[in-house]
Amino acid sequence: GAVVSQHPSRVICKSGTSVKIECRSLDFQATTMFWYRQFPKKSLMLMATSNEGSKATYEQGVEKDKFLINHASLTLSTLTVTSAHPEDSSFYICSARPGRNYGYTFGSGTRLTVV
Amino acid sequence: GQQVMQIPQYQHVQEGEDFTTYCNSSTTLSNIQWYKQRPGGHPVFLIQLVKSGEVKKQKRLTFQFGEAKKNSSLHITATQTTDVGTYFCAADSGTYKYIFGTGTRLKVLA
Repeated sequence: GAVVSQHPSRVICKSGTSVKIECRSLDFQATTMFWYRQFPKKSLMLMATSNEGSKATYEQGVEKDKFLINHASLTLSTLTVTSAHPEDSSFYICSARPGRNYGYTFGSGTRLTVV
Repeated sequence: GQQVMQIPQYQHVQEGEDFTTYCNSSTTLSNIQWYKQRPGGHPVFLIQLVKSGEVKKQKRLTFQFGEAKKNSSLHITATQTTDVGTYFCAADSGTYKYIFGTGTRLKVLA
C-alpha cells in the first residue's frame, strides 16, 4: 500500500528558531500533498496544499511567511516553521495519495514543542 | 466556508454494543471519506463514498452516504475494544481538498 514517511516524529526547539519537517511519499509520486495541524483531542485543520513545482496554497488564517512549504520533487514536501513561538506547538501531519480513487495516506506526524 | 460537523463528540459503549457516528456538511459533497485515528496515532483511511445513497460494508463497519450527499454515517456492530479511537469523516466538495469533521471519540468498555 501507499506509504508516507514523515520526519522528525518529535522535535523540541527554542523560541525564535526554525524547524523543518519532511514528508516523503515512498512508493508513489505525489504532485499534491496536504499539511494539517492538530491540537490535542481536536480535529485536523488543513493548513495548506503543497503543489509540486509551484507555490503552496494556504488556507485562510494561515501565515505563509510563518509556515514555509516547499514541494521540490514528486516525492518530497517540506514544512518549515519559522521563528517558532510556544503557540506554534502542535501536532503537524502531512498526507498524500497515489491517485484520485484512493484514500489519503497520512504521515506519522510531528509533535513540535517550542520552549 | 464549508463546515463539517460530527455527532456525537464522545461515545462510551459497553463491548458488544453498537455505535454510530453521523457526519453533516453545510454544502453538497462530491465524495466523503472516513478515517480512524487511534490515541497517539495518525489517521488511517477506512473508506470512500461517492454515489448518492451508497452503502458500503467492511466486516462490522457499515458506511452510508446520504441521498442529498450532504451527510454520512458510520455504524459499528458489536463493538470490540480494538474499535477504540476517534473516527473522522473528511468531506470533499469537488476541489479534492478534504475538510475533516469534528470527530467522534469512541471508548469501548470491556
